[in-house]
Amino acid sequence: DAKTTQPNSMESNEEEPVHLPCNHSTISGTDYIHWYRQLPSQGPEYVIHGLTSNVNNRMASLAIAEDRKSSTLILHRATLRDAAVYYCILRPYSGAGSYQLTFGKGTKLSVIP
Amino acid sequence: NAGVTQTPKFQVLKTGQSMTLQCAQDMNHEYMSWYRQDPGMGLRLIHYSVGAGITDQGEVPNGYNVSRSTTEDFPLRLLSAAPSQTSVYFCASRAPGQGKGETQYFGPGTRLLVL
Repeated sequence: DAKTTQPNSMESNEEEPVHLPCNHSTISGTDYIHWYRQLPSQGPEYVIHGLTSNVNNRMASLAIAEDRKSSTLILHRATLRDAAVYYCILRPYSGAGSYQLTFGKGTKLSVIP
Repeated sequence: NAGVTQTPKFQVLKTGQSMTLQCAQDMNHEYMSWYRQDPGMGLRLIHYSVGAGITDQGEVPNGYNVSRSTTEDFPLRLLSAAPSQTSVYFCASRAPGQGKGETQYFGPGTRLLVL
């Protein structure tokens, strides 16, 4: 399975933009890039996903490198509620691996008031 | 919609006891799965189901049993609890295919302590 590499932790000031990087140099052409986050004592929640093009939704933006070997999750204005562990996950388009999410350790984001 | 619900929220077991963790979803999702999360770690897949009557093993299936008799419910059974099964258990569901099917919904978790 293709793996992802993320920094263990990051800090951001409240109301500042946050760029969370993810390296996935062994990504295959049919792997989708997913981001989930897990707030303290809660289950993970979906943030965003993409394949090749940059994506925006109400929570965040996803910037995908042209060669797809890395991506960046962008939170435009960090709030205290955004303090969580962020997981970058590759999910195959089809096959047995498409049924599951393979979680690494993620990046723990701390937001400073 | 209630989404994905799990019961109980917290459970203490003695080694060798058995129990069933309940999971239900009201979104008519075909795909359901069980994950466990150990301290400081990401989630690991235990078992999953792609529809009623169909289940398969994930990364860490030993010591756990599942069945899927309805679309809504996906219980996880611990046959003989061991201290190594102390963990937080998350149930998840999603629709098949692309679009909305890309979003996996997780329950709030069950914290299990095996003494």
